Amino acid sequence: EAQVTQNPRYLITVTGKKLTVTCSQNMNHEYMSWYRQDPGLGLRQIYYSMNVEVTDKGDVPEGYKVSRKEKRNFPLILESPSPNQTSLYFCASRPTGTGRNEQYFGPGTRLTVT
Amino acid sequence: QKEVEQDPGPLSVPEGAIVSLNCTYSNSAFQYFMWYRQYSRKGPELLMYTYSSGNKEDGRFTAQVDKSSKYISLFIRDSQPSDSATYLCAMSAGGGSYIPTFGRGTSLIVHP
Repeated sequence: EAQVTQNPRYLITVTGKKLTVTCSQNMNHEYMSWYRQDPGLGLRQIYYSMNVEVTDKGDVPEGYKVSRKEKRNFPLILESPSPNQTSLYFCASRPTGTGRNEQYFGPGTRLTVT
Repeated sequence: QKEVEQDPGPLSVPEGAIVSLNCTYSNSAFQYFMWYRQYSRKGPELLMYTYSSGNKEDGRFTAQVDKSSKYISLFIRDSQPSDSATYLCAMSAGGGSYIPTFGRGTSLIVHP
């Protein structure tokens, strides 16, 4: 089954404790991205990657890091999480070169930072 | 003014009603227009995709884009309780722009 997977699905952590949220897709998509979704603010892009070793900032990159060492994986790293990073996070992927912009989203990771 | 405006609702309708969901935008460079449906506790899934202006129909769903008015719509005919979800509009410019801009989403409730 073609899908985007994320782990963990739920995470409660404390301020300053480094964490990584993994994302993997099995559709051989070049483009991957991370979003956060907050009430009243909608979906906002954190980082995106056009291909392996190519990443760029989205609208709200502060406090986050990403890496793209393999085509299928795109982990999101919070080096020192803070309470304002409590949110619902989605990973997404899509093919490039098709002229289309639709993305396939993962199931989400609900992060709480206390 | 936000780049994409979408009324968050909730919009509550009886089963069988025609639903109209809308977004307005300010960036005239947007060429790709999408509607995503998001069920509670799930990730968004693509529902409709339209390039430039015009209409697109898929079953009970019709997407309309009016670039002159910077206004897009999603119509749902014969709405069903299973259509209850949050609907997000999204749009992006062409020419390699890969950062889509999403609306805040409209919560739709279809009651039996």
